[in-house]
Amino acid sequence: GEQVEQLPSSLIVQEGASVLINCSYTDSASVYFPWYKQEPGKRLQFIIDIRSNMERKQNQRLTLLFDKKTKHLSLHITATQPGDSAIYFCSASIMDNNRIFFGDGTQLVVKP
Amino acid sequence: EAAVTQSPRNKVAVTGGKVTLSCNQTNNHNNMYWYRQDTGHGLRLIHYSYGAGSTEKGDIPDGYKASRPSQENFSLILELATPSQTSVYFCASGGDRNSGNTLYFGEGSRLIVV
Repeated sequence: GEQVEQLPSSLIVQEGASVLINCSYTDSASVYFPWYKQEPGKRLQFIIDIRSNMERKQNQRLTLLFDKKTKHLSLHITATQPGDSAIYFCSASIMDNNRIFFGDGTQLVVKP
Repeated sequence: EAAVTQSPRNKVAVTGGKVTLSCNQTNNHNNMYWYRQDTGHGLRLIHYSYGAGSTEKGDIPDGYKASRPSQENFSLILELATPSQTSVYFCASGGDRNSGNTLYFGEGSRLIVV
């Protein structure tokens, strides 16, 4: 089945820095890639997504880049704030069977 | 916003005991999912459902059963709990066109099996 890998597993940055979270997947049938954020002790919440017919999507300080050829995504967060501290999950969906596969997550800590 | 509620939020069970984790969603989503979250493993899919009466095995179904008696409710059942099932369990609904393909998660159920 689909395998989703995220790197790095953890990041510690100073407030105001930019961060890049990388994600790769294996199944070329995956067409939809939502990302979720989990703040400490909280539920996962959707933050941004991209479909396989797109290369780039931006939502305020979040930019998601997608490379279909290399099966690679990257989430760029600019001007980080302590409130961005969370675990970020990349996921991939084939859509036909509604199965959604998650990476292991990237723990981001933003120090004030 | 989509509402998914789980109960209990915290549970301590004894080895060999039966545990039922319940999930309710009020958004009329067809699909519902049960994941467990463990450090170093991210989210792993246990069971999922396409609608009332349907249950499907996910990636780690052994030791778990699921029940979807209605559109709104999806339960995860541990008939004989073991310490290896100590984890945080998340229910989610959505993941289909009805929800814009987005998953809506519950707040999690922390289970400790002693």
